[in-house]
Amino acid sequence: AQSVAQPEDQVNVAEGNPLTVKCTYSVSGNPYLFWYVQYPNRGLQFLLKYITGDNLVKGSYGFEAEFNKSQTSFHLKKPSALVSDSALYFCAVRAITSGTYKYIFGTGTRLKVLA
Amino acid sequence: GAGVSQSPSNKVTEKGKDVELRCDPISGHTALYWYRQRLGQGLEFLIYFQGNSAPDKSGLPSDRFSAERTGESVSTLTIQRTQQEDSAVYLCASSVTDRGLPGANVLTFGAGSRLTVL
Repeated sequence: AQSVAQPEDQVNVAEGNPLTVKCTYSVSGNPYLFWYVQYPNRGLQFLLKYITGDNLVKGSYGFEAEFNKSQTSFHLKKPSALVSDSALYFCAVRAITSGTYKYIFGTGTRLKVLA
Repeated sequence: GAGVSQSPSNKVTEKGKDVELRCDPISGHTALYWYRQRLGQGLEFLIYFQGNSAPDKSGLPSDRFSAERTGESVSTLTIQRTQQEDSAVYLCASSVTDRGLPGANVLTFGAGSRLTVL
């Protein structure tokens, strides 16, 4: 079955420290991978995507993610966390199931950046 | 419009009533998705529309749920005889699928419709 796993429900990090939010996936074929962020009472906002090319992709607000095909991972990173980065982060993969494209989302990881 | 618009933003209803949720996608976005997000949980796929093709309804949890979309415009999600377990935020997203277009395959989400069934 095609799936996305975010193994951590919550990640705590001190402001100024680097952060990593983990994501692994299981999908047939070449994956399209995405990260979204959700602030309270808001919809999801796109951060970055990997489709092809360079394994390190850069996105909004200083975030980046590294595609690792051998480990089937797409971890989200930021060199220096800000308190304002505190939010719910979702990893997603676009997969073909039953002939149509679906975006499969992980269960989300709550990031708390402590001042 | 500039973004995906959903209405109502908040709906409180009594168990057994029908509700209709509306999604107005970005103009030109041929793909439209509905997701459900229960409190503290991830996104659950409900239904997918692509242009004039038959929708993928494989995620609808029961026959009380239905959705329509006219061409490439507004979509409505209808829940009949609502139950308490239907309480959730219903998110709509749209995208372009033509790889040659900017933002292709990136879902743009609306702010959601929060449904509370008493």
